[in-house]
Amino acid sequence: SQKIEQNSEALNIQEGKTATLTCNYTNYSPAYLQWYRQDPGRGPVFLLLIRENEKEKRKERLKVTFDTTLKQSLFHITASQPADSATYLCAPTLDNQGGKLIFGQGTELSVKP
Amino acid sequence: GAVVSQHPSRVICKSGTSVKIECRSLDFQATTMFWYRQFPKQSLMLMATSNEGSKATYEQGVEKDKFLINHASLTLSTLTVTSAHPEDSSFYICSARDDGGGQETQYFGPGTRLLVL
Repeated sequence: SQKIEQNSEALNIQEGKTATLTCNYTNYSPAYLQWYRQDPGRGPVFLLLIRENEKEKRKERLKVTFDTTLKQSLFHITASQPADSATYLCAPTLDNQGGKLIFGQGTELSVKP
Repeated sequence: GAVVSQHPSRVICKSGTSVKIECRSLDFQATTMFWYRQFPKQSLMLMATSNEGSKATYEQGVEKDKFLINHASLTLSTLTVTSAHPEDSSFYICSARDDGGGQETQYFGPGTRLLVL
């Protein structure tokens, strides 16, 4: 069955450093992969989408890579700020799922000033 | 930007009662909406896919008679938790897919916290 794994332990980094979060998937080949941010008690907020034919995508301080050979996506936040503290969810998605999202368990990021 | 609202944001009810949660796309049309449930410290679990004008599609293990979904218009889907019990207490989140965007474009509501006493 399809399986999605994210760093299970919380990630604690110092302000200004680069945070790197990992998303691994097994037993399927997603056509694209999305990253979301979720704050406590709130719904997820869309951040980035990367397709299987794209190696890398950037948006301001965010960068996502997608390695279909390793079945892995990396999510980077450069020059991290305390306001970046949140849980980050990845959702690798098949084309024929009608937009249905299956999320990883999320990685909690804490950026200390 | 695309906004999805949910109502109520928080509800407390007695065991055995039914609770209705509304999900609205405010500035776009959504033929398809999704309902998720999230328990503390866990990820979102998809419960069902709601399609305007047709029956919802439920994920394995989700009781369709327990969680009634109605998607009567292109901007509104409702989830009714029938005969709620304490184990139904959770955070319920909906999302809506923008008909005018790509298939992947999906926006989430702020969630509804349900507490069943």
